[in-house]
Amino acid sequence: NAGVMQNPRHLVRRRGQEARLRCSPMKGHSHVYWYRQLPEEGLKFMVYLQKENIIDESGMPKERFSAEFPKEGPSILRIQQVVRGDSAAYFCASSPRMENTIYFGEGSWLTVV
Amino acid sequence: EDQVTQSPEALRLQEGESSSLNCSYTVSGLRGLFWYRQDPGKGPEFLFTLYSAGEEKEKERLKATLTKKESFLHITAPKPEDSATYLCAVLSGGYQKVTFGTGTKLQVIP
Repeated sequence: NAGVMQNPRHLVRRRGQEARLRCSPMKGHSHVYWYRQLPEEGLKFMVYLQKENIIDESGMPKERFSAEFPKEGPSILRIQQVVRGDSAAYFCASSPRMENTIYFGEGSWLTVV
Repeated sequence: EDQVTQSPEALRLQEGESSSLNCSYTVSGLRGLFWYRQDPGKGPEFLFTLYSAGEEKEKERLKATLTKKESFLHITAPKPEDSATYLCAVLSGGYQKVTFGTGTKLQVIP
């Protein structure tokens, strides 16, 4: 768990502002996933990325949400013009390749006020 | 669409009282089934990966088993520190898309 680093751990944004969540995968891992967990709900898949490529974004809302995993640096989940319904825990996970177990970070808790 | 159903939603056990958690799944082409433990305010912690029916994995008081339609997480003589939400997830399809169940919240009372 400690290997996948997420920051910030807690983020408060006013409605209409932008939220940027960062994720550094475990060493040697080139596959990154983002999940969202709403209170009292399960983990919902958002997006799967490899370096410089979005492989599957079928769980990502069509508007206001975007994700990237550049050649250098962490993966970024960006939420523009946040609304109260975006308040949730956002988890990043990584794996070394397909067919492997994914390991999660400690999450970023977004609160929209 | 892949579906993962966990039961019961919540389980309360006395310390030492063994029990099992169930995870039933409907997927097209299972490539792996995972069990995680999640404590409040924390990320899911990996426990087991099972790849084929008949496979079993053990770790301390936990044992995971897999059939063609479901998986069980057996907890033997649980302790209060085993209290957590246990999540089941499946990997299927052409891409690395892991689908989670909603979890079983386990409480072990001293």
